[in-house]
Parts: sequence; structure tokens; C-alpha cells
Amino acid sequence: GAVVSQHPSRVICKSGTSVKIECRSLDFQATTMFWYRQFPKQSLMLMATSNEGSKATYEQGVEKDKFLINHASLTLSTLTVTSAHPEDSSFYICSAPDRTGGQGQPQHFGDGTRLSIL
Amino acid sequence: DQQVKQNSPSLSVQEGRISILNCDYTNSMFDYFLWYKKYPAEGPTFLISISSIKDKNEDGRFTVFLNKSAKHLSLHIVPSQPGDSAVYFCAAVTSGSRLTFGEGTQLTVNP
Repeated sequence: GAVVSQHPSRVICKSGTSVKIECRSLDFQATTMFWYRQFPKQSLMLMATSNEGSKATYEQGVEKDKFLINHASLTLSTLTVTSAHPEDSSFYICSAPDRTGGQGQPQHFGDGTRLSIL
Repeated sequence: DQQVKQNSPSLSVQEGRISILNCDYTNSMFDYFLWYKKYPAEGPTFLISISSIKDKNEDGRFTVFLNKSAKHLSLHIVPSQPGDSAVYFCAAVTSGSRLTFGEGTQLTVNP
């Protein structure tokens, strides 16, 4: 079964709306979670690393004020797309490292959120 | 700068035959390489990984080969099954758990 739950799976909203996406680790604690963005037929691009109890680490070119990340607890990270515009329409996916840790261990991914801004 | 590249956007094979998916990388600091499988509207699921100190790792029908000198890895699926049809992503790890993904290859296995 799924070990990382992402909600909602699909959002359609008007331009200017802020959208919150939740990522939960279901049966393990995740001090670190990752947020990715995928454009059609392109790779998953890491946006930011979410750290429980501290500020998120953003990749170069990702606007911190646009994509707000809050790692409120050891099982929940949220990504808020503020004042979303059509160019923010994309597929957003979160992941959490496997509970056993280790650099080569797989990450568990949520099922993603398809965001469509009209 | 695309550090992990999958140059074939698509691959089509017959059921029962071998599927070979390729991946090239530029960063010699990558420690681990992983392959993920992704169905539409779902998140990627882990398939198999390989450490940079090895050249082969096998798990059932899936085998990953790593050629460090060529900075190239490949995923072999044999025999291929229609249920293997999906997008396959190659990913590499440097520091911590940060993953760098390739663009993906759409595999279609025809019955």
C-alpha cells in the first residue's frame, strides 16, 4: 500500500487563487520531504527540500515567496502555490526517503497533484 | 544543465523480448543510481538501484548495468510483459537523498 499520501490529486482553479497541496508519510516519520514539478514529457525537477522544524531549501530559480513550504510535523509537509497563474499549471509530486535511510535507499512518492490554473 | 539524460523518449518491444532502456550522466559524483516506473496520474515507484561501486544488480526480470567509465547505465527487462508498459525514469543521487531525474522513456510492450 501507499506509504506517502498526497492530496488533492487534481485542482482546477482561477488565476490568482492560492492552492495548498499536502504530503503525508503514512506509517513512518519523515524529517525530510522533497517537492518536484513535472512539465509534460519532461523530467521531474526538484523544487525544494522540506525540513521538519526548519526552513525549506529551495533549488535555484524557484521562487520562495511563490511556493511556500511548511513542514509542520514529522508526517506532514505542505506546498502552497500562492496567487497561482496559468504558467504554474503543472504536475507536482512529493516524496519522502525510505524509513531505513541511507543514500541509496529509494524514496516513496505520492501520486502527485495535477494543478490547472484557468 | 541536464546531468541525467535519457535520449530515447520512447521504446516499443514485443512481449517476451528484452527491453533495454538507456541512461547517460555527466556528474561523476553520483553515488547511486535508481530506476523508477511511472504510470499516468501516479507517482513514480521504485524498481531497482545500483551503487556506483558495482557494475550489475539483478532483481528478477530486471537487471541494471553500470559502466562508470562511459557514465552510462541501462535497465534490462526480460522477458518483457504488457504490464511493463509505463514511463521509466533513471535517477541519480549525490548528497543526501536528493534525486536528479532523467527525462523518462515511454516503454510499450506489445502483446
